[in-house]
Amino acid sequence: DTEVTQTPKHLVMGMTNKKSLKCEQHMGHRAMYWYKQKAKKPPELMFVYSYEKLSINESVPSRFSPECPNSSLLNLHLHALQPEDSALYLCASSQVGVRLGSYEQYFGPGTRLTVT
Amino acid sequence: AQTVTQSQPEMSVQEAETVTLSCTYDTSESNYYLFWYKQPPSRQMILVIRQEAYKQQNATENRFSVNFQKAAKSFSLKISDSQLGDTAMYFCAFRPNFGNEKLTFGTGTRLTIIP
Repeated sequence: DTEVTQTPKHLVMGMTNKKSLKCEQHMGHRAMYWYKQKAKKPPELMFVYSYEKLSINESVPSRFSPECPNSSLLNLHLHALQPEDSALYLCASSQVGVRLGSYEQYFGPGTRLTVT
Repeated sequence: AQTVTQSQPEMSVQEAETVTLSCTYDTSESNYYLFWYKQPPSRQMILVIRQEAYKQQNATENRFSVNFQKAAKSFSLKISDSQLGDTAMYFCAFRPNFGNEKLTFGTGTRLTIIP
């Protein structure tokens, strides 16, 4: 099983709403990532969890709150978002180890978020 | 800090032809990996090919091969016998072998295969 799943596929939310994005993998990967991708742009890294601990936060606004409840699951909690936060949110996972650079990141299909 | 540059925002080629996508990078690291990722329209991103900087031999995966020029910091992707399913956004990416888990992407090349 080399699949990363993300739910929901699409999400429309108002600026006062609270919602969550979910990501799951069962490949035994111990690193999980959240990316934000605008149209025709590369993914921008937001957060990295390594062994269920937050290892990288790319200065993301606090209205985005990540959570890694266990090694298979990654959530992104959203609150008081702005219209400019509308984007495709990608989750990815990879192995962690000595040869870190070689490990492929497996991407999910993404959640397309629209903030109204 | 690393930078990855893809100078061709868009390319198109006839089906069955060969196309080469360019990528250059800048780094002070000596031990690193380079990747080409493919993102088809409305589909998820997948790894096409990877290259370890210490290996002089260019990586190949079926119709996909790279031309890795370490001294020039160049890492181009060649797609032979192009197929309609190759239509996608292609991202070149860099990752050091040691350090944190961050993958640095280029700006992407949108490739269209024309029937």
